Amino acid sequence: DSGVTQTPKHLITATGQRVTLRCSPRSGDLSVYWYQQSLDQGLQFLIQYYNGEERAKGNILERFSAQQFPDLHSELNLSSLELGDSALYFCASTLAGASTDTQYFGPGTRLTVL
Amino acid sequence: GQNIDQPTEMTATEGAIVQINCTYQTSGFNGLFWYQQHAGEAPTFLSYNVLDGLEEKGRFSSFLSRSKGYSYLLLKELQMKDSASYLCAVRQLSGNTPLVFGKGTRLSVIA
Repeated sequence: DSGVTQTPKHLITATGQRVTLRCSPRSGDLSVYWYQQSLDQGLQFLIQYYNGEERAKGNILERFSAQQFPDLHSELNLSSLELGDSALYFCASTLAGASTDTQYFGPGTRLTVL
Repeated sequence: GQNIDQPTEMTATEGAIVQINCTYQTSGFNGLFWYQQHAGEAPTFLSYNVLDGLEEKGRFSSFLSRSKGYSYLLLKELQMKDSASYLCAVRQLSGNTPLVFGKGTRLSVIA
């Protein structure tokens, strides 16, 4: 158990809908990262937050947005869902936002868009 | 640009040794990680190399050559539970992505 929690574990929804994925970092960690993992793709970095502020942005679609709250939990919002958005979504956390920190991953949310 | 290459699949026998290679081309280099990921589960940290050489941790060892853009993960005394995907990830000095992951190598350990 990494100490990172994600909810829900599974989510099934329809195209065009909007969902929110939630992540709580390890106790004491300030930085949160979101990744998408599709069947034939590696982990694709979406976005990073550090202490409530956006730190780095990867290949995140405009339909997707995220934020980190004062209590350091983070939410990833996915809207106008398409079939291709079906994937595992992982959150990871680190103590700081430094590039040398090891990322510890949550159990993931499996999103299925029908 | 950024590119990380790993073999897609490997098969090895229980009790044997297997070496999983990773080559990379990224925007600068600031360390290389290996993660293990069982199907449908979260990646778990295995090792970190930032200087050239071999890091040993129990049955797992990881090697890095920065001049060659090359790393390998060595698994000894293979067990059935080692069947998983092994992800190579490079931390860049610049660019938008803090950690770039390869697509992973799916290792099957057979009896």
